[in-house]
Amino acid sequence: EAQVTQNPRYLITVTGKKLTVTCSQNMNHEYMSWYRQDPGLGLRQIYYSMNVEVTDKGDVPEGYKVSRKEKRNFPLILESPSPNQTSLYFCASGSIGRFNSPLHFGNGTRLTVT
Amino acid sequence: QKEVEQNSGPLSVPEGAIASLNCTYSDRGSQSFFWYRQYSGKSPELIMFIYSNGDKEDGRFTAQLNKASQYVSLLIRDSQPSDSATYLCAPKSQGAQKLVFGQGTRLTINP
Repeated sequence: EAQVTQNPRYLITVTGKKLTVTCSQNMNHEYMSWYRQDPGLGLRQIYYSMNVEVTDKGDVPEGYKVSRKEKRNFPLILESPSPNQTSLYFCASGSIGRFNSPLHFGNGTRLTVT
Repeated sequence: QKEVEQNSGPLSVPEGAIASLNCTYSDRGSQSFFWYRQYSGKSPELIMFIYSNGDKEDGRFTAQLNKASQYVSLLIRDSQPSDSATYLCAPKSQGAQKLVFGQGTRLTINP
């Protein structure tokens, strides 16, 4: 089954404790992206990657890191989480080069930083 | 001006009626337009996309696009309570991978 898999689904942590949210896709997509979603602010892009070893900042990259060492994986790293990073996070992937290619989303990770 | 504007709602529609969701966008280079449905706490799921001016129908859903007016809409016929969700509009420019999402319209179908 074609899918984007995020883990964990729920995460509660404390300020300053490094964490990683994993994302993996099995559709051989070149493009992968991370979004956060907050009430009243919609989906905001954090980072994206056009291919292996190619990453770039989105609209709200501060406090986050990513890596793309393999095509299928795109982990999101919070080196020193803060309460303002409490949010619902989505990973997404898509094909490059097709204008009608949609984004496929993972099931989301609800992060709480206390 | 926001890149993508949607009425946040809530839009309340009686069961069986037609729900009309609207979206305007500012980037004239936008080539394709995606509509996603998102239930509370869940991930967005693709409803349909459109890239030619006019109407595109898929079951109870019809997308309408007017590039000259920079306007895209989604009609849901015979609305069901299960259609209650937030609907996100997302234009995409040719050659770009980024989808720019509107804030979404929250739709409630009343039995």
